[in-house]
Amino acid sequence: GAGVSQSPSNKVTEKGKDVELRCDPISGHTALYWYRQSLGQGLEFLIYFQGNSAPDKSGLPSDRFSAERTGGSVSTLTIQRTQQEDSAVYLCASSSPGRGVTDTQYFGPGTRLTVL
Amino acid sequence: DQQVKQNSPSLSVQEGRISILNCDYTNSMFDYFLWYKKYPAEGPTFLISISSIKDKNEDGRFTVFLNKSAKHLSLHIVPSQPGDSAVYFCAVKKFPTLTGKLIFGQGTTLQVKP
Repeated sequence: GAGVSQSPSNKVTEKGKDVELRCDPISGHTALYWYRQSLGQGLEFLIYFQGNSAPDKSGLPSDRFSAERTGGSVSTLTIQRTQQEDSAVYLCASSSPGRGVTDTQYFGPGTRLTVL
Repeated sequence: DQQVKQNSPSLSVQEGRISILNCDYTNSMFDYFLWYKKYPAEGPTFLISISSIKDKNEDGRFTVFLNKSAKHLSLHIVPSQPGDSAVYFCAVKKFPTLTGKLIFGQGTTLQVKP
């Protein structure tokens, strides 16, 4: 079956522009996560969606970042007025519901964002 | 403040030998620990995990050891193979968190030489 897919794979933008990154989770996975990996760093949690619950936005670094998940499936991460420090690989993951602490997160290949 | 640390950015071993990757954490409330492997241009893939009630978990060539008193975990790969060359991330969860978010270390790049 299909894994997590993300688009675009690469995005180059100019400082101050808005960007949208898309994630298609594994079918049937109700949990969806966004992380980012800056150069030389580990993965940093951004936001988490679980079913119809309010998302956990505790990892979003500023109010320029937002995300939504439509119909419990596809998610879009939006970065407004991009800054150079936003340059990173943005990774999406999904997991199966109802397995509590042991659910495995499956990652997409990521979107490499470069802000010039 | 970094809650999960992988102090070795890189490691090089000879094929057939043991690879040992280390990870330290700061919060004793963390109770589930995972290792992910990442190849270039791909997302991380789950490798092996361990809960805090155990001190060892083995899966084929991969074994994870947990030392709760030292807040330290390690991943052993025996024997190492060139295909194991990748970036390895340790990650932790805190129970009973309502969110499944993972906290990752910075990663260790493993190179296995033929």
